[in-house]
Amino acid sequence: EVQLVQSGAEVKEPGESLRISCEGSGYSFTNYWITWVRQMPGKGLEWMGKIDPRDSYTNYSPSFQGHVTISADKSISTAFLQWSSLKASDTAMYYCARHAGYCAGASCHIAMDVWGQGTTVTVSS
Amino acid sequence: QSVLTQPPSVSAAPGQKVTISCSGSSSNMGSNYVSWYQQLPGTAPKLLIYDNNKRPSGIPDRFSGSKSGTSATLGITGLQTGDEADYYCGTWDSSLSAGVFGGGTKLTVL
Repeated sequence: EVQLVQSGAEVKEPGESLRISCEGSGYSFTNYWITWVRQMPGKGLEWMGKIDPRDSYTNYSPSFQGHVTISADKSISTAFLQWSSLKASDTAMYYCARHAGYCAGASCHIAMDVWGQGTTVTVSS
Repeated sequence: QSVLTQPPSVSAAPGQKVTISCSGSSSNMGSNYVSWYQQLPGTAPKLLIYDNNKRPSGIPDRFSGSKSGTSATLGITGLQTGDEADYYCGTWDSSLSAGVFGGGTKLTVL
């Protein structure tokens, strides 16, 4: 079975660092990009960025560039989302998803076909 | 403020048909392919439609997608109470070099 399994819920204080994980199984991890998506309480989905596990090339949304770091360790089929200094506004559910897309010519196909169960991050003093 | 615009809510009776619109611009929907996602309450999103109008294996043909210019539409026929969920459109934005989503549409089956 193809699946992405995320690490458990986190409760942190402002200013703390955090790394959450997303482990892929049931498929060749290096054949698909991994995307991270934020969903703040009661709000919609926000595309944060994606990583190519083959070479760890990353692509960030301008809204998240510089605020988070996406990385991957292909030897353990795991992608990571990391903060160096959390803020209360980082409180949200974070999903990883397998990015089954590509660009051909001037057009890009984007489809997130397998999703993790989500990791709740709560930042509060 | 989402890059793609969806109506906040739609509703219809069981058995009826509903459509959900998604509008964007030339840099996103006008030049790239659209996907649609269903998020049931308390669960992770699920891919419903990709490449504008294709259904992944296991998605019933009650769900359909179309795109014209800078707008796309998700159609759901034979509505069931189990279809009550939030629906999101998504695509690539070539100017931002990033993926973008619509703000989501809450479907209520009356």
